[in-house]
Amino acid sequence: GAVVSQHPSRVICKSGTSVKIECRSLDFQATTMFWYRQFPKQSLMLMATSNEGSKATYEQGVEKDKFLINHASLTLSTLTVTSAHPEDSSFYICSASQGVRGQPQHFGDGTRLSIL
Amino acid sequence: GENVEQHPSTLSVQEGDSAVIKCTYSDSASNYFPWYKQELGKRPQLIIDIRSNVGEKKDQRIAVTLNKTAKHFSLHITETQPEDSAVYFCAPDSGGGADGLTFGKGTHLIIQP
Repeated sequence: GAVVSQHPSRVICKSGTSVKIECRSLDFQATTMFWYRQFPKQSLMLMATSNEGSKATYEQGVEKDKFLINHASLTLSTLTVTSAHPEDSSFYICSASQGVRGQPQHFGDGTRLSIL
Repeated sequence: GENVEQHPSTLSVQEGDSAVIKCTYSDSASNYFPWYKQELGKRPQLIIDIRSNVGEKKDQRIAVTLNKTAKHFSLHITETQPEDSAVYFCAPDSGGGADGLTFGKGTHLIIQP
């Protein structure tokens, strides 16, 4: 159980394009979903936290107008990278939590974003 | 916020030997201590976790030990195998599932044949 599906797995596009990434919890309702970014040979860094039906909370240094997050239901959160530039190229990973203390987050397979 | 330090950054061991990775955290409210294994280009995979009411947990060749007083927990891998080669991350959690995780910087474990 506790499967999180993330799509697409790989995106290659031109500079200036907006890219949408979907994160779905398939067999459970996710109280909270998280978006992380991972640059090559670095750790995962939390970008934002989203709760269903409310505005996302962004970490310091993450532009909310650049990275639009929509959490429309308890099973779906989307991250849109607007007007992407080469420096936005990274590995983006979502995770979902059932909000139970002491329980692990469940990670999606990640999206490799390459901006040319 | 949580400050997490993980050591070493790179660890090379001979196949069959043991490997130990240590994670130090700052938030005394942390109560859940997972270790993740990440292979290149893939998602982090939970390999073992421990909760604050337990000092040690073992699952076959993998174990985690927790010292809450000193605020550190360690990953132990015995009888290492080539497939253990990966990057390992700790991510102590105090948010009860409501907060994002603060990951350590990772340890690149290399198993030498």
